[in-house]
Amino acid sequence: NAGVMQNPRHLVRRRGQEARLRCSPMKGHSHVYWYRQLPEEGLKFMVYLQKENIIDESGMPKERFSAEFPKEGPSILRIQQVVRGDSAAYFCASSGTRTDEQYFGPGTRLTVT
Amino acid sequence: AQSVAQPEDQVNVAEGNPLTVKCTYSVSGNPYLFWYVQYPNRGLQFLLKYITGDNLVKGSYGFEAEFNKSQTSFHLKKPSALVSDSALYFCAVRDPSGGSQGNLIFGKGTKLSVKP
Repeated sequence: NAGVMQNPRHLVRRRGQEARLRCSPMKGHSHVYWYRQLPEEGLKFMVYLQKENIIDESGMPKERFSAEFPKEGPSILRIQQVVRGDSAAYFCASSGTRTDEQYFGPGTRLTVT
Repeated sequence: AQSVAQPEDQVNVAEGNPLTVKCTYSVSGNPYLFWYVQYPNRGLQFLLKYITGDNLVKGSYGFEAEFNKSQTSFHLKKPSALVSDSALYFCAVRDPSGGSQGNLIFGKGTKLSVKP
């Protein structure tokens, strides 16, 4: 039973490029969450999605960031026109229901040069 | 506003000694509480949770946590620490009545170092 999968594990982008981070939830899970972890800090919630729906995006920056969880395929976190401040580890988590514990993927470490 | 505080950036313990990693929380309703562990360059691993019921919750790898409503605390404990327990520990809370829709609020993390 595969856990939460994220790819790529490491991503390097130059300022102004786009970054696409992918997350495949655990089998049977339909709730996906994205978190960002800056160096020496805890995780900050970004967005919560269910299949084809954004449930809560209160943690998402207003510009350049978007997320989707299509009916088929992984969830995608998209960052347009990246800046150095976007450098961080981005973690995806999934759960079977809204109140269950969340299971985390290994993260994507984004470096913006 | 919902929040989680982990007052210690680092906890140092000798192997075989008991360990405690502290966590306090602030929510408007009844909290759902979680502990996660993070090893270097890895994702978070779920350790245990408190939803309702017994205040003492047992989890993975011999860890347990005690929910104390009057002190709004959920400290993580282990009777006998192992060197392999050395990692970053995160406390998290979800307030099901607070409109958070399911996302977790994390503390800043406590680095546990267990020396032989």
